[in-house]
Amino acid sequence: EVQLVESGGGLVQPGGSLRLSCAASGFTFSSYDMHWVRQATGKGLEWVSAIGTAGDTYYPGSVKGRFTISRENAKNSLYLQMNSLRAGDTAVYYCARARSGGSCYDYWGQGTLVTVSS
Amino acid sequence: SYELTQPPSVSVSPGQTARITCSGDALPKQYAYWYQQKPGQAPVLVIYKDSERPSGIPERFSGSSSGTTVTLTISGVQAEDEADYYCQSADSSGTYQVVFGGGTKLTVL
Repeated sequence: EVQLVESGGGLVQPGGSLRLSCAASGFTFSSYDMHWVRQATGKGLEWVSAIGTAGDTYYPGSVKGRFTISRENAKNSLYLQMNSLRAGDTAVYYCARARSGGSCYDYWGQGTLVTVSS
Repeated sequence: SYELTQPPSVSVSPGQTARITCSGDALPKQYAYWYQQKPGQAPVLVIYKDSERPSGIPERFSGSSSGTTVTLTISGVQAEDEADYYCQSADSSGTYQVVFGGGTKLTVL
């Protein structure tokens, strides 16, 4: 059974940093592109970052230069290092597996809440 | 930048057909995907590549595409279908990006 379990969320002050983790199981982690998607309370879904099987990374302009996605295949783990956090980054952050051969998400974690507030 | 536009809300009675649209200039060139999200839960993929249905998704869910608009159709709507629905696409023609529509709240009356 495919499982994605996020951790590392919490309360952080504006300008601070946080590192999210996603533990994957039930599939060959190294063979799949992985993404982070976030959702502010009562709002829609927003793509945050992606990492390919070769380690290539992608970001939208809203987080580029502040967030860094990485993966550790030996540990079946995905990470998101978030620096220079802003109030607008407050959201539930989901780890999601990209469907093989497609740019969509066939499995999602349950999310971890990041709150940026003083 | 690439945008996808959805109606904020759609309402139908049980047993009727619900249609949720998603519009975007790049949709003729890029596949669209649909997710269902219920309160407090992670999204679930219900349609991929415009019209394909993942295993385990009921047959009442279907997708179609015409020009710059894709449509999610739910036939014979049930109370359990009440949820938020999001369309999504990806653009790799320039810098890779993933885009979501703003979401549509489906209310079953």
